[in-house]
Amino acid sequence: QSVLTQPPSASGTPGQRVTISCSGGNSNIGNNYVYWYQQFAGAAPKLLISTNDQRPSGVPDRFSGSKSGTSASLAITGLRSEDEADYYCAAWDDSLNGWVFGGGTKVTVL
Amino acid sequence: QVQLVQSGAEVKNPGSSVKVSCKASGDTFRTSAINWVRQAPGQGLEWMGGIIPSFGPAKYAQKFQGRVTIIADGSTGTADMELISVRSDDTAVYYCATNTLSSSLRHGFDIWGQGTLVTVSS
Repeated sequence: QSVLTQPPSASGTPGQRVTISCSGGNSNIGNNYVYWYQQFAGAAPKLLISTNDQRPSGVPDRFSGSKSGTSASLAITGLRSEDEADYYCAAWDDSLNGWVFGGGTKVTVL
Repeated sequence: QVQLVQSGAEVKNPGSSVKVSCKASGDTFRTSAINWVRQAPGQGLEWMGGIIPSFGPAKYAQKFQGRVTIIADGSTGTADMELISVRSDDTAVYYCATNTLSSSLRHGFDIWGQGTLVTVSS
């Protein structure tokens, strides 16, 4: 059971907008930055969104992050076939004194 | 650009220990936090612990306290993670990961190693 809660799956057709939610608590999302990682099958995770809503260099602007209270979300606009991957949210947890992750959301492009 | 290169796959018997190494190329992580994250087959990501080489002892997830040791040498750009008394549910890909822009454990990871598969089986 992950500390951060994500839907296990999300899907859309090419060009659609897909959003992934990430729910936590005051000790993690509520008081710390949220990060999002993208992971393709058989590969290491890659940083997709930093500090709630910042895109690292090279990340397309189709990806955006937001945070409100103890929840965060990742939006993919103009969905493309190459966006099929697993997506994880993460935050530092002050109570656990360590990192916590969501269980991951598998995005499928129909 | 920093790259993290990890040691190769391991197969271990239950009850033994395993050490996975991580070396930074292109630059050292003298003051950058190094974290270890694992991923069991078909499962999500799990943080094991982290260390800032120049700032003292590692911090560990409660689940792994007493079983994992993380050390790092900022001058050589290397970090090791040792897990003892391994069991079948420790079978996973183990990743080292760092934040090249921060010396805090509380900032996310912008560079990941390629991963090391550890298989625990008799």
